[in-house]
Amino acid sequence: GQQLNQSPQSMFIQEGEDVSMNCTSSSIFNTWLWYKQEPGEGPVLLIALYKAGELTSNGRLTAQFGITRKDSFLNISASIPSDVGIYFCAGQGGSEKLVFGKGTKLTVNP
Amino acid sequence: ETGVTQTPRHLVMGMTNKKSLKCEQHLGHNAMYWYKQSAKKPLELMFVYNFKEQTENNSVPSRFSPECPNSSHLFLHLHTLQPEDSALYLCASSQERSTGGRINSGNTIYFGEGSWLTVV
Repeated sequence: GQQLNQSPQSMFIQEGEDVSMNCTSSSIFNTWLWYKQEPGEGPVLLIALYKAGELTSNGRLTAQFGITRKDSFLNISASIPSDVGIYFCAGQGGSEKLVFGKGTKLTVNP
Repeated sequence: ETGVTQTPRHLVMGMTNKKSLKCEQHLGHNAMYWYKQSAKKPLELMFVYNFKEQTENNSVPSRFSPECPNSSHLFLHLHTLQPEDSALYLCASSQERSTGGRINSGNTIYFGEGSWLTVV
């Protein structure tokens, strides 16, 4: 079945720094989704990508659907303390199920 | 507020208890899902309902029994659970999901806040 590798597993950064995380798949995907999960809450959709090469922003967040259709990245610019949480990528290709990465845990030091 | 509401938010139950988790979506979606989230594991899809019909059961033990009375409500009935079943159970919904499991462009899934289950 399809597999997702999400990296890094965790990040410790200073407030104001930029953040980058990515996901790669073992096969071609048609959809990439990025979610953020805060402690004790469910994942909240940040950005959805449906076309190879698509670059989409949501405030300080930017995500891109890789042109190979096997990867996606999420960037956060000028991080703030409320950016802390776990960021998940999710992807789906063909008639396969939506699969999730294991998440990137982000800690922002004030 | 994502439009998907789960109750209870926290549940502690013994291994011989019977309890239920409830999910309600206010988004007008036709597909609903149960996911299990355990520590250090990817989200695990458990069940999918599409227009009230179960279209996926991801080899889930029978001690978990889903029920979907209508497109807006989804239940997960719990009976004789094991301590390893302790996890965050997430409900989600989307506009529609084909029987082949494909997610059409724009049919993104939205999660509830989750129900934390502890089995003692």
